[in-house]
Amino acid sequence: DVKVTQSSRYLVKRTGEKVFLECVQDMDHENMFWYRQDPGLGLRLIYFSYDVKMKEKGDIPEGYSVSREKKERFSLILESASTNQTSMYLCASTVSPRQYEQYFGPGTRLTVT
Amino acid sequence: GENVEQHPSTLSVQEGDSAVIKCTYSDSASNYFPWYKQELGKGPQLIIDIRSNVGEKKDQRIAVTLNKTAKHFSLHITETQPEDSAVYFCAAARYNNAGNMLTFGGGTRLMVKP
Repeated sequence: DVKVTQSSRYLVKRTGEKVFLECVQDMDHENMFWYRQDPGLGLRLIYFSYDVKMKEKGDIPEGYSVSREKKERFSLILESASTNQTSMYLCASTVSPRQYEQYFGPGTRLTVT
Repeated sequence: GENVEQHPSTLSVQEGDSAVIKCTYSDSASNYFPWYKQELGKGPQLIIDIRSNVGEKKDQRIAVTLNKTAKHFSLHITETQPEDSAVYFCAAARYNNAGNMLTFGGGTRLMVKP
């Protein structure tokens, strides 16, 4: 079974803090994705990575950055957290760029106060 | 870019009844249309998908139909059961140089009453 894990299920941070969300997949997948999930808006793509040290912006990259130093790990960074970044964050991966099915982690619910 | 709209946002049915969720998309280049189910406390999981060269696909109690001309696709669940209660997302896929990108609809919360 494919396993995608996220470092925290719940996180509470203060405005202005630097926040790291970590995602690890154990199936040697090439592509990894970060989404945020908000009620009524579905899942919106923040960033994705198709190889180590390679990244591309998704639909809503403002206020976020990412890091992929190892193939199995993809980190989402909020340089200076703001209250409008309170959301559920989901990580996903696919076997290869041509593969359609995305495997999701359980999500991290981030609250910024 | 692609825009996917999903309706209804909530759906309540009696156990045993059918449920239908509808989505429309805007980009005629999209060629793959998956449906994901998200149970409470879990990430979304693929339940069925359809490619643009197919009009209908069925897997036991669930089926998906696609109308490329009208740019809409639907999920049909028959003989609903309480364990079908979840949030369902449709999506449309487009390919860029780095891989297949999914654009998701807003989600439908399905509640199946025993």
